Amino acid sequence: QQQVKQSPQSLIVQKGGISIINCAYENTAFDYFPWYQQFPGKGPALLIAIRPDVSEKKEGRFTISFNKSAKQFSLHIMDSQPGDSATYFCAAENSGNTPLVFGKGTRLSVIA
Amino acid sequence: NAGVTQTPKFRVLKTGQSMTLLCAQDMNHEYMYWYRQDPGMGLRLIHYSVGEGTTAKGEVPDGYNVSRLKKQNFLLGLESAAPSQTSVYFCASSLGTSGRYLNTGELFFGEGSRLTVL
Repeated sequence: QQQVKQSPQSLIVQKGGISIINCAYENTAFDYFPWYQQFPGKGPALLIAIRPDVSEKKEGRFTISFNKSAKQFSLHIMDSQPGDSATYFCAAENSGNTPLVFGKGTRLSVIA
Repeated sequence: NAGVTQTPKFRVLKTGQSMTLLCAQDMNHEYMYWYRQDPGMGLRLIHYSVGEGTTAKGEVPDGYNVSRLKKQNFLLGLESAAPSQTSVYFCASSLGTSGRYLNTGELFFGEGSRLTVL
């Protein structure tokens, strides 16, 4: 049973466009939702994270939108650049109880 | 400033052989994790540890064993390797879970160990 469902599996976006990756979860006990970014040959690294008490968090060109009632959250990358080409993972955690569970990942390609 | 270091980075095994992956972190983190990454499957947790001398099973623990004898090290063992264990293995560490502060739950990953079982 997959605890965090991520879509799409792959995404191609033109340079300057908006990249949108979506995740859905079932466990209402989850209270921490990070996104990780992974470049080829490297380990994932934390990009941005949010708690369910806010509906949106923005850091530079990266924004997490959170919909608690729908049990969904998404990553928006504004003004996408070729350097953003990477695999993105959403994740969720019930803090203090269970470790992070990850979605299956989205491979983003930003083309010029 | 090493962070999380994994050894070896590459290894080829024959079915039935055993091996140990070593993870070392220099950030004084309490929590350590072993994940495997397979195409289309994301990151799946194998085992984790919430402190020296403790270990716990993750999502896919079968065929693996772990030990955390020292706080800075977390070992992943394969007693009898199988082709299904061909994967990229990632070790990670964190201060703790997200808890009260978001940044305590941040996972710091190593660069991975690519294991092929023939």
